[in-house]
Amino acid sequence: SYALTQPPSVSVFPGQTASITCSGQKLGERFASWYQQRPGQSPVLVLYQDNKRPSGITERFSGSNSANTATLTISGAQVLDEADYYCQTWDTTTAALVFGGGTRLTVL
Amino acid sequence: EVHLVESGGDLMQPGGALRLSCAASGFTVNSNYMAWVRQAPGKGLEWISTVYNDGSTYYADSVKGRFSISRDNSINTLFLQMAGLRAEDTAIYYCARLIRGGSNIWYFDLWGRGTLVTVSS
Repeated sequence: SYALTQPPSVSVFPGQTASITCSGQKLGERFASWYQQRPGQSPVLVLYQDNKRPSGITERFSGSNSANTATLTISGAQVLDEADYYCQTWDTTTAALVFGGGTRLTVL
Repeated sequence: EVHLVESGGDLMQPGGALRLSCAASGFTVNSNYMAWVRQAPGKGLEWISTVYNDGSTYYADSVKGRFSISRDNSINTLFLQMAGLRAEDTAIYYCARLIRGGSNIWYFDLWGRGTLVTVSS
């Protein structure tokens, strides 16, 4: 079955750029989405179709996807960005929705 | 405004059965792709089931044969019937709307707050 791999944690200082990666076999040939989950809250969609932002999501969130890696980039990281971030794609062979293991972003 | 509200979570014994509900407002369940996603305590998100607008259903291997997704159009509600519960089914269960933006573009644009299922003797 298809699998996505994320680093368990990423740390940045306020104002810096945070990059969270998501790796999967030929992921660049699929589309990736990203979700933010603050402690005790439900996930929120922050990017879909690799780099599109839903209404209400700050422009500081951007994304890319090529080869085997999708990347969520958060520019000018703020304390309010501290959360768990999950990537997700769709497995064409099984129609399964696949999530990465999640990355805890800490803004020091 | 669109909303999803889950209910039905409970403390269950291993081997038991439980039905979760997800009431939708602001849109119609049967016109959309809907899914259940769970999150074990301190763990990541795990997709477990999807129902398409045409009624097709799909399940993760971890729940196939034990869980069943369905919907009641008259009350605009999604269900997850769970049987043969195991300790590893302990999780918050989220209902979510799934968007198909193209043949390979799938993402969850709306989530409920979740309902907790605990399986323990």
